[in-house]
Parts: sequence; C-alpha cells; structure tokens
Amino acid sequence: DGGITQSPKYLFRKEGQNVTLSCEQNLNHDAMYWYRQDPGQGLRLIYYSQIVNDFQKGDIAEGYSVSREKKESFPLTVTSAQKNPTAFYLCASSIVRGSNYGYTFGSGTRLTVV
Amino acid sequence: GNSVTQMEGPVTLSEEAFLTINCTYTATGYPSLFWYVQYPGEGLQLLLKATKADDKGSNKGFEATYRKETTSFHLEKGSVQVSDSAVYFCALNPAGTASKLTFGTGTRLQVTL
Repeated sequence: DGGITQSPKYLFRKEGQNVTLSCEQNLNHDAMYWYRQDPGQGLRLIYYSQIVNDFQKGDIAEGYSVSREKKESFPLTVTSAQKNPTAFYLCASSIVRGSNYGYTFGSGTRLTVV
Repeated sequence: GNSVTQMEGPVTLSEEAFLTINCTYTATGYPSLFWYVQYPGEGLQLLLKATKADDKGSNKGFEATYRKETTSFHLEKGSVQVSDSAVYFCALNPAGTASKLTFGTGTRLQVTL
C-alpha cells in the first residue's frame, strides 16, 4: 500500500546538535510538506516543496533546513540554531494540481531535547 | 488572506451523544474544505471533504455540509463513541491554486462512558 513513512518515531537530541528527520513517500506525489505541532496546538508550516530541487520557507523556517533531491524523499534537519526544537513533527504529501485534493500525512516524529 | 476558525475545545460528551464541531472560513472564491482527525500520538487522517457549495462529505458516521452562504463546514455525528476521542482539524484549499492547505487550530473531543 502506498503511504508516507516517517522515521524514527521518537528522537532524542542533545543541545547544540543537528538532527535529521526522515520522510519518504511512495504515492508519486509532487508536493511534500513539514509541519511542527506543539502540545495542544495546531499545525505550523516549516517548509514545503512542490517539485524536486526546489522548496520554499513556511511560517517558521528559522533553525530548520530541508532538501529535495528525489521526488520520494524530503528530509528535515533541525539545526542547533532552533532554540526550542522539542515538538511533534509531521510530514505530508499531496498532488500539486487542483484544489480538490487534501494531504496524506505520516505518523510523525516526536523530537525531545535532553 | 485565507483562514479557518474552529470552536475551542475540549468538547466533552457522553457516549451516544450528538456531536457538532463548528468550523467557519474566510477565503475568496470556492475553496475545497476538509476535516482531518488526529488520534493520540499519530499523524492526521483525512476524515471527509467537500469541493463545492452544498456538497455533503461523509465518512464513518461523520458528516459536514459546505455552506457558502454562511462560510461554514460544521462537523456532525449523531452518536459518538469512546473511540471517536481525538483532535479534529478543519482545513481549506483555496480555489484554482496548487494544493496549499490552511488549517484551523484543532478541537479536542473527549467521549466518556
């Protein structure tokens, strides 16, 4: 079955370290997205990409970086510049053309700074 | 700009009670509208959608009707179960654009026996 795989499910990071969250999809979707979710809060867009080798900043891109070298993959790096990285991170994908389609989400990665 | 407003939670109901979660939106034209559900510790799942005015989306006993005149897309279920306890997100995708959802802040539903 097609879907989105996020790994790992739980991740622990020491202060000052960079860490990379994986997101892979086999849905043949052109667009991919990264969201951050804090406890009891909604979703905030970090980065999105609508085509390979191109991506745009979302609302809270500072302290994060991404790459889109393959259609299937959109890894997110949380850098040491992100001052409060502890959160639940969600990856999503979608068809680009048309407004009738929603997103397909992964199961998330919970990042904790220790 | 585009925006989605949901009622604040938590909404606490007894099992078999009637559920309404309000959602209103601001957008130009005719956006597509969605409801997503998030169970604890998981990602979001598409629950239902409607792509034009007066459409009714339905799934797993949940329904929502796209009301252009009131710019609303309220989620309803006639008889909730404990297993419906989750966070529900309303979202819109602007008309005539590439997919770029705007989400509401989410409404937590707690169903008790």
